Amino acid sequence: SYVLTQPPSVSVAPGQTARITCGGNNIGSKSVHWYQQKPGQAPVLVVYDDSDRPSGIPERFSGSNSGNTATLTISRVEAGDEADYYCQVWDSSSDHSLVFGTGTKVTVL
Amino acid sequence: QLQLQESGPGLVKPSETLSLTCTVSGGSISSSSYYWGWIRQPPGKGLEWIGSIYYSGSTYYNPSLKSRVTISVDTSKNQFSLKLSSVTAADTAVYYCARVAPRLCDYWGQGTLVTVSS
Repeated sequence: SYVLTQPPSVSVAPGQTARITCGGNNIGSKSVHWYQQKPGQAPVLVVYDDSDRPSGIPERFSGSNSGNTATLTISRVEAGDEADYYCQVWDSSSDHSLVFGTGTKVTVL
Repeated sequence: QLQLQESGPGLVKPSETLSLTCTVSGGSISSSSYYWGWIRQPPGKGLEWIGSIYYSGSTYYNPSLKSRVTISVDTSKNQFSLKLSSVTAADTAVYYCARVAPRLCDYWGQGTLVTVSS
């Protein structure tokens, strides 16, 4: 089955840029989606199809995907961005599975 | 605004079957554009997709859970359901239902904690 690997944690000062990576075999050939999950809440889609943003998501959230790594970038980080972030792809080779990454805790210093 | 709401017992005994229902409001479960799915999250851990269903009844399951999972749909009630058999403590998790669009989850329920314990 397809595996997505994320760093367990990323720390960033307010106003700086946070970059969260998501590693997978030839992930650049897949569409990557990113979710933000705050404590006690359901995940929220923040980036889809590598780099598009759903309505209502700030432009500070952006994404890229190439080779074996996809990246979620949060610019001008705010205290409210502190959360867990998960990448996700669709694996057509494995029963049309939705595969989630291991998750990254973003801490705003 | 589409809303999803999970319901079902919060406590299940080991070896029994976990049963949950997701009620969809603000939209039709019979929409041809979407699947409907279940995702779970053990306490302090990451997200795991369980399976998805189309309004016609077509299903896809996580291979690691396939032997124990059944997802069904009731279009007349705008609901879909999850059954997970032979549960153990490892199945203790927050269970979410979601709209699958169809390769990502764009709407989620609030989640319901199911504890497996005698």
